[in-house]
Parts: sequence; structure tokens; C-alpha cells
Amino acid sequence: QVQLQESGPGLVKPSQTLSLTCTVSGGSISSDYYYWSWIRQPAGKGLEWIGRIYTSGSTNYNPSLKSRVTISVDTSKNQFSLKLSSVTAADTAMYYCARIRAAAGTNYYYLDVWGKGTTVTVSS
Amino acid sequence: DIQMTQSPSSLSASVGDRVTITCRASQIISNYLNWYQQKPGKAPKLLIYAASSLQSGVPSRFSGSGSGTDFTLTISSLQPEDFATYYCQQSYSSLYSFGQGTKLEIK
Repeated sequence: QVQLQESGPGLVKPSQTLSLTCTVSGGSISSDYYYWSWIRQPAGKGLEWIGRIYTSGSTNYNPSLKSRVTISVDTSKNQFSLKLSSVTAADTAMYYCARIRAAAGTNYYYLDVWGKGTTVTVSS
Repeated sequence: DIQMTQSPSSLSASVGDRVTITCRASQIISNYLNWYQQKPGKAPKLLIYAASSLQSGVPSRFSGSGSGTDFTLTISSLQPEDFATYYCQQSYSSLYSFGQGTKLEIK
């Protein structure tokens, strides 16, 4: 079955750009049926949706992060990526990638497959 | 933006209890509402989608209901493995949002 795996630096300096990659295995990222998403969770706090991308490259971002976020897709590598610029300590969190799909024949979307997450700490 | 508010934020219950968690949207979202369970150190797991549809493999003691702005997740008879944090999430808007979570603890 499809599996997702996050990767990237675990430590980023303030004001720099956080870069993470999600590798999709067991299925094609180019499928018309799915979006791909990033979600984060500060330690001990709730989930925050960051954004999503379709295989065509079309994106939607959380308005609170939109000015700093870029999500991209590399179909040749079966990966999608997150870049978050000008990071501060408030960006320290567990970052998850996930697959979004719709219930068959509907437009009811949900996040059905998640990666295990990767911890990113912003500190000098 | 659509804000999602869960209540209560935390809940103590015993094995065998019936438990209900509520989620309210700041605007009408029809039934574009999903529920997730998260255990410590783990990624969230989808339980319910489209407000009331049970994800494959999820025990039938979990159920969801509601439409419009008010939704509930019910666990009919708590099992030890159900003690976790639960989140609702709306997909009515292309800009998704989660509730703040409800932590279900053992009494």
C-alpha cells in the first residue's frame, strides 16, 4: 500500500528556509485521484494545516502561512516538497505529509494516508 | 477562514463508557467533516469522513453525525486503545482547518 516518508534537516537557523521532502512509495504521485498535503504540530499542541498540491502543480495554502510557504511536486521522483521561509522558533514542530483523497464518486476529501512525521527545530 | 471548535478540550472516562465529542464550524460546511484519532508519538489516523462514513478497518463502536455547523463523534463503548486525542477537520473549503483537539483520558 502507499507509504509516505518525510525527510529533511532537523535543525534550521532562525530567518533561514525550512525545506522538507515527502517521498511517496507504493503508488504514483501523478494519479488524478489525489492531492498531497503538509500539516504541522508543535509539541503538545494541535494540528495545523499548511497547504496542499495537486499533481498539476495547483496549490492552496493556509492564509496565516501563505506569504512564507511554497509546496511543489516532482513527479519524476514521486516526491513533493515544502519550503517555509523566514522561520522563527514558532515554526518548531513535527511536520507531517499526507495524501488527500475523495470518497468514491464524491468531492468529500479527507487525509487518508500520513507519514510518520519529522521533527524540525528552529534554533541558532 | 473556517474556524473549527471542539468541546470539551479534555474528557475523562472509563472503559465501557459511551463518549461524545462535539465539533462546531464557524459557518455551514454541509457534511464536509472528518474525524481523526492521534496517539502519543504517532501520526493521526482517519476514523470518519463525510461526517458519518466509517473509514475501512475502523471499529464500528466509532460513529459520526451532524451536518451544517454541528457535528459529533461518538464512541459507543470505550476500549483501552481508544484513549487518545481526537481532531475534527473540515474540507468544505479548499483551505482546510482542524479543531483544537479533544484529549480523552482514563478516569
